[in-house]
This record gives sequence, C-alpha cells and structure tokens, in this order.
Amino acid sequence: AQSVTQPDIHITVSEGASLELRCNYSYGATPYLFWYVQSPGQGLQLLLKYFSGDTLVQGIKGFEAEFKRSQSSFNLRKPSVHWSDAAEYFCAVGAGWNQGGKLIFGQGTELSVKP
Amino acid sequence: NAGVTQTPKFQVLKTGQSMTLQCAQDMNHNSMYWYRQDPGMGLRLIYYSASEGTTDKGEVPNGYNVSRLNKREFSLRLESAAPSQTSVYFCASSAGQGRTGNTIYFGEGSWLTVV
Repeated sequence: AQSVTQPDIHITVSEGASLELRCNYSYGATPYLFWYVQSPGQGLQLLLKYFSGDTLVQGIKGFEAEFKRSQSSFNLRKPSVHWSDAAEYFCAVGAGWNQGGKLIFGQGTELSVKP
Repeated sequence: NAGVTQTPKFQVLKTGQSMTLQCAQDMNHNSMYWYRQDPGMGLRLIYYSASEGTTDKGEVPNGYNVSRLNKREFSLRLESAAPSQTSVYFCASSAGQGRTGNTIYFGEGSWLTVV
C-alpha cells in the first residue's frame, strides 16, 4: 500500500537560512509526488509536483524538490527562508490511475521561522 | 475564481445530531474527495468519487455517508455525530486519472466541533 512519511513533525529555522523538509514514500510504481503548504486557518495550496522527467522540480514561492528514486525520497528545499514561509507542509503521493487520482498524505511538518 | 467551495465554514453540533457538509467545484473536474485533518495525522481520506455516479470508501469512512449529486457537487453527511468526528474537513477535486489529472485542488475547510 502507498504511504508517505515526513520524519520531522516540527522544524525551526532562522530567517534567511536554508531549509530542507524530508519526505519518504512507499509506492510500487513511478509515483506522482506533491508538496502542499497550509497557512493557519487556511486550505492547502500546491507548491509543486513531480510526474516524470527532470527529477529537480521548481515550484512557487522559491521552493524546489528533488525526486530520488533510489532513496524513495522527495525532499523540499528553499535556499533562504522568509518569515512568511511559516506554515505546515504536507508531502503526498498520488494513488494511481484506478483510484480516482486520490492522494495519500504524510503527517505534515510544521515550520517555524525565527527572526 | 471560485474553485472548490464548501459550506458551512464553522459548525458546532451536539452528539447524535446530523448534518451535511456541502461542496461544489466549478472546474469541470471528474473526481472529488472528502478529507479530514486532525493534529499530527495529516489529511486522511474519508470518501472519494472518481466520476459522477460513483463513490468509494477511503481510509476513514465509518460514521459518514456521501452523495455525488452531479458532476459539480459532492456532499458529506454525518448521520449521528460523535465527538471523535470533531475535525477540520476539506473537500477537494481533480481532473482524475491521467498524466496531469492528479493535481488536487482544495476548498478552504469546514471546522466541525461535536460536543
């Protein structure tokens, strides 16, 4: 069965520092992978997605993620964090063609940004 | 751009009461979903509808029913609310199967408290 693990429940970084949020997935075929961001009291916004091709994917707000099949990982990175990046981040894997395109989510990583 | 619209945004129920969460999308999407979000557990799929006229159970369907009223609308019903159903509920939609179909778009959430 598909699953997603985000090992870090909470991360704190200083403003201007680099960021890496970890995501590991379990999926039998080539996965569809996603990162979403959720600000407090808001819905989820898509940051970026990987379907195939280039394993380094660029997203909105200066985020990027790298798909590493050998490590079953899809880590999210940003070179310089801004205070407005404080939010909860969710990694997700698409469940496949015959399952209505549903997503399986990780538990989420809450990001705090220190001034 | 309305996207995915869900109502109500906030609701307090007494144990045993029933209610229906409404959801509509204006993107002509085939697939629709209901997720619940609880602290530390990410988003868990309750039910989904891969296409008009079909519904399937997700990860946590017990205590819920759904209706895919037409292509636009997908409602979630709690027949006899329990405190364990206190959660934030998200409706979502996607084009469904296919190379670009798995991007899921979320509504803004419905905060439900059962006392």
